[in-house]
Amino acid sequence: QVQLVESGGGLVKPGGSLRLSCAASGFTLTDFYMSWIRQAPGKGLEWVSYISSSGSTIYFADSVKGRFTISRDNAKNSLYLQMNSLRDEDTAVYYCARDPRYCSGGSCQAVLDHWGQGTLVTVSS
Amino acid sequence: QSVLTQPPSVSGAPGQRVTISCTGSSSNIGAGYDVHWYQQLPGTAPKLLIYGNSIRPSGVPDRFSGSKSGTSASLAITGLQAEDEADYYCQSHDSSLRGSLFGGGTKLTVL
Repeated sequence: QVQLVESGGGLVKPGGSLRLSCAASGFTLTDFYMSWIRQAPGKGLEWVSYISSSGSTIYFADSVKGRFTISRDNAKNSLYLQMNSLRDEDTAVYYCARDPRYCSGGSCQAVLDHWGQGTLVTVSS
Repeated sequence: QSVLTQPPSVSGAPGQRVTISCTGSSSNIGAGYDVHWYQQLPGTAPKLLIYGNSIRPSGVPDRFSGSKSGTSASLAITGLQAEDEADYYCQSHDSSLRGSLFGGGTKLTVL
């Protein structure tokens, strides 16, 4: 069955770096778009980044652009989020999610059908 | 403030029907983009509840239904149960943002 397991979260000081990993099983990562979504404590969901199945399209929210990068290791079937220059406001639970794309009327858009359990990132001095 | 607006909270007694609205604009729902809904039970990851405005994934009870009209969408839950107490999020695509986004979320309380 489809499973996504995030790791790599922890406590980091402002300005520091962290790399999150998302190990996928039950499907091939490169067959799907993959996303990182975060949720600050007591807040709603925020789309952080996604990578297309081909890897040719990458998106970042304005709030993380220039500081975060997304990548994949196809051999390990794993997704990564490299987070640099971390700020207090990056404190959140980070989820990876699979996006099989929902297509209707000739266009396709994101839909997240499987999520990991999340990993907590705390940015604090 | 999210581009997709949801009421912060709704409540209902067991057995009742509640609806959660998701109001967008001409650059997202009104532009024809579809709406998906997620349920987040306390302390857990979100789960896809409705996709394509009204389609239930396998395993989702038919007590949950979705609809879309104009620049808004709605999630309806009938026969409310205690286990439905959760946060609910709508999600769609926005052409101005050139990306997908979530509504601010609605906390459902079962009285």
